Amino acid sequence: EAGVVQSPRYKIIEKKQPVAFWCNPISGHNTLYWYRQNLGQGPELLIRYENEEAVDDSQLPKDRFSAERLKGVDSTLKIQPAELGDSAVYLCASSLDVERGGTDTQYFGPGTRLTVL
Amino acid sequence: SQQGEEDPQALSIQEGENATMNCSYKTSINNLQWYRQNSGRGLVHLILIRSNEREKHSGRLRVTLDTSKKSSSLLITASRAADTASYFCATDAFPAGGFKTIFGAGTRLFVKA
Repeated sequence: EAGVVQSPRYKIIEKKQPVAFWCNPISGHNTLYWYRQNLGQGPELLIRYENEEAVDDSQLPKDRFSAERLKGVDSTLKIQPAELGDSAVYLCASSLDVERGGTDTQYFGPGTRLTVL
Repeated sequence: SQQGEEDPQALSIQEGENATMNCSYKTSINNLQWYRQNSGRGLVHLILIRSNEREKHSGRLRVTLDTSKKSSSLLITASRAADTASYFCATDAFPAGGFKTIFGAGTRLFVKA
């Protein structure tokens, strides 16, 4: 079974440029998460989707960040315009909720390492 | 702010020794999970312990949970060089604003061959 797929793996851009990250969760997983991980820190949740609905986006900087999960499958996270402080690893994870026979376990993709110059 | 706090921040041991990492949190939780992250990789789930459980085992891993002290520990027995990684605890809780998974800053474990 394929795991969570993310692309690109690496991205280098100049500040003020836009950037987008893509995530394809594990087939059948209804919950999708986007995290940001700064160097030496744990992941910090940006947004959580239940199917196509964003149920927690309280940590998403909405002035420059946006996300979508059309059709409740894959998802895109966008930053426009990027700032120097956005340099981090952006992780996507998915899970199958308990009501559908899953657990609270989240399965992570390899992440996208963003460098803003 | 992150709820989980791991201790120690870094740990260096010899192969074959046991490694113990601790995690403390602040609010009531539904469950607590431990994840491992190898350098440059995504996180891999290790073990989940629910709030009504006190101890859980999985292979060389032993996790304890003390909800009265709001703390958990991860013990890796007979460590191997391949166990070198960062270890994170993550709590599923219901702070103001609804359900949330919160990760700590992690413990960096280095196992010397």
